[in-house]
Amino acid sequence: AQKVTQAQTEISVVEKEDVTLDCVYETRDTTYYLFWYKQPPSGELVFLIRRNSFDEQNEISGRYSWNFQKSTSSFNFTITASQVVDSAVYFCALSEAWYGGATNKLIFGTGTLLAVQP
Amino acid sequence: EAGVTQFPSHSVIEKGQTVTLRCDPISGHDNLYWYRRVMGKEIKFLLHFVKESKQDESGMPNNRFLAERTGGTYSTLKVQPAELEDSGVYFCASSQETTTGTDTQYFGPGTRLTVL
Repeated sequence: AQKVTQAQTEISVVEKEDVTLDCVYETRDTTYYLFWYKQPPSGELVFLIRRNSFDEQNEISGRYSWNFQKSTSSFNFTITASQVVDSAVYFCALSEAWYGGATNKLIFGTGTLLAVQP
Repeated sequence: EAGVTQFPSHSVIEKGQTVTLRCDPISGHDNLYWYRRVMGKEIKFLLHFVKESKQDESGMPNNRFLAERTGGTYSTLKVQPAELEDSGVYFCASSQETTTGTDTQYFGPGTRLTVL
């Protein structure tokens, strides 16, 4: 069965601190995809990144970086020098590869609420 | 380009009433998904349309929920009659067609449904 665990329910940091959001996943598929979404107070889910299971290279985008480790089934997200605008709920999600005729539904974790204090 | 839009943003109804939620996907996106988040829980898949066809409706809770996507454009999700446990945030997402691999789903702001 597929499952995503985000053990951190809430994290509070002070602006400019670095913060890491943990994501651990379970799947029996050899091909799968991992995602991170951000949900700001306005409510919509904003796509941040997609990673496939064959690409373990870490990714950096500005202050955001992602560490994908298949050995520990983890896909952690780090925000460097956090800002108040980073305050949001962050969701990690997993999907199987889609070979036509199936569905690419996302399996979500419960989310981590990040509060960045000024 | 306009993103995924959902209407209404909030709905408060009495138990036993009917509510219809609407989703307008990104123009040109054949895939349309409905998800639901019950308070404090994870976001759960409800169903998936490819154009006007239901590809997978395995996540629909019961037959009080009816989703349609006439003409392959916007979609509606009707709950009739609503029960207390239907309260939550209903998200819609859309993506471009893909035949293999995966797609990236873009989400709307959600409809917050409260059943009293």
